Amino acid sequence: GNSVTQMEGPVTLSEEAFLTINCTYTATGYPSLFWYVQYPGEGLQLLLKATKADDKGSNKGFEATYRKETTSFHLEKGSVQVSDSAVYFCALSDRGYQKVTFGTGTKLQVIP
Amino acid sequence: NAGVTQTPKFQVLKTGQSMTLQCAQDMNHEYMSWYRQDPGMGLRLIHYSVGAGITDQGEVPNGYNVSRSTTEDFPLRLLSAAPSQTSVYFCASSPAGQGNEKLFFGSGTQLSVL
Repeated sequence: GNSVTQMEGPVTLSEEAFLTINCTYTATGYPSLFWYVQYPGEGLQLLLKATKADDKGSNKGFEATYRKETTSFHLEKGSVQVSDSAVYFCALSDRGYQKVTFGTGTKLQVIP
Repeated sequence: NAGVTQTPKFQVLKTGQSMTLQCAQDMNHEYMSWYRQDPGMGLRLIHYSVGAGITDQGEVPNGYNVSRSTTEDFPLRLLSAAPSQTSVYFCASSPAGQGNEKLFFGSGTQLSVL
């Protein structure tokens, strides 16, 4: 079956530091890959996505590249802000289905 | 535009009680699903629906029932609550069609079973 593995948190960074959150996946076929973000007390919201190999998703300064050869979709941001503090989930979905598989989430805390 | 609306936001049940978590969306999305979120386990799919009258089981369906009589509503029923069902529950919807796999989430229901 499908699975997503992401780095355990929490991750604590100072403001303006560089962020990487690792994500690898196992899937049959060619899934779409996603990063969702969950702010305290809220539901998840889509941050970015990529639907095929070598695609780069980007949004709000975050980016991730779909690497088929390493089955990875690492999330990066060059300079984090306090407002980026949240839980980040890597996810995948098989083409033609709406069953999305999520990783366990990585909590990011950015301190001033 | 309300999006995905879940009620209630908080609920406390005693073991053996039944209840229904409500979910409604006003975006005319074909797909709807229920997830539970537990510490260290991320989100796990309980049940999903690809359209009115069609439902199917996800990863952790035991102890839960669903039905989809309209496009808008997708209630989740706990028949006999157990402490293991203490969790945060999220409803999500998505439009059909390849390339439309973006999920729209409700704000969640925090359920405690004593």
